[in-house]
Amino acid sequence: AQSVTQLDSQVPVFEEAPVELRCNYSSSVSVYLFWYVQYPNQGLQLLLKYLSGSTLVKGINGFEAEFNKSQTSFHLRKPSVHISDTAEYFCAVSTPYPNTGNQFYFGTGTSLTVIP
Amino acid sequence: EAGVVQSPRYKIIEKKQPVAFWCNPISGHNTLYWYRQNLGQGPELLIRYENEEAVDDSQLPKDRFSAERLKGVDSTLKIQPAELGDSAVYLCASSAGLAASTDTQYFGPGTRLTVL
Repeated sequence: AQSVTQLDSQVPVFEEAPVELRCNYSSSVSVYLFWYVQYPNQGLQLLLKYLSGSTLVKGINGFEAEFNKSQTSFHLRKPSVHISDTAEYFCAVSTPYPNTGNQFYFGTGTSLTVIP
Repeated sequence: EAGVVQSPRYKIIEKKQPVAFWCNPISGHNTLYWYRQNLGQGPELLIRYENEEAVDDSQLPKDRFSAERLKGVDSTLKIQPAELGDSAVYLCASSAGLAASTDTQYFGPGTRLTVL
C-alpha cells in the first residue's frame, strides 16, 4: 500500500522569501506524484505532477518540485512567495496498477502562510 | 468552461437523519470521484466512477453510504442514517480520461456536512 507524509503541518514564511514544502511517500511499486493547492473556500487545483522523465517538474504560479527516488521524496519549492500563495498544499501519490484497489492517496496537507 | 458543481455547499442535520449530496462534473469528463475530507486531513477517496460504473468503492462504508451516477454524468452520494463521525467536507472531482492514476482531477468546492 502507498502512503504520503507531509512533514510540516504549518509553514509561515515572509513575502518574497523562498519556501520548501516537504513530501515523502512510501510504496512498493512505481508511483506518480502530484501537488494540489486549496485556496480558502475553493476546490483543490493541480499545481504540478510527476509522471516520468525529468525529475524536476515545473508547475503553475512559479512552483516546482523534484522527484527523488532514492529519498522517496517530492518536495515543492518556490524561490519567492507572494501573499496570494497563502493556501493549503496537498501532496498525493497514485499507482499505475489498477488492481491495487484504492490507488490515490493524499497527504494531510501543509498550511502555507505568507507574512507581509 | 464551468467547473465541477456541488450542492448544497453546507448542510446541518441531526444524527440518524438521511442526507444527500449532488455533483455535476465538467462536461465530457468520464471519471468522477467522491472524497471525504476530515478536519485537518487530506481527502480520502470514497468511490470512483468510470462513466456510470463504480470501479473503486473499497473505501465506501457500504452499510450507510450509497452512490449513483446515472447516465454517466451527474452523481449523488447519500448517507443514511448519518452519524456524528460523518461530519466532514465531501468533495467531488472529475477527470477527462480513464487513466485515473495520471489524469488531472478537477475538484468542486465541496459540501460541508455537520451532524449534530
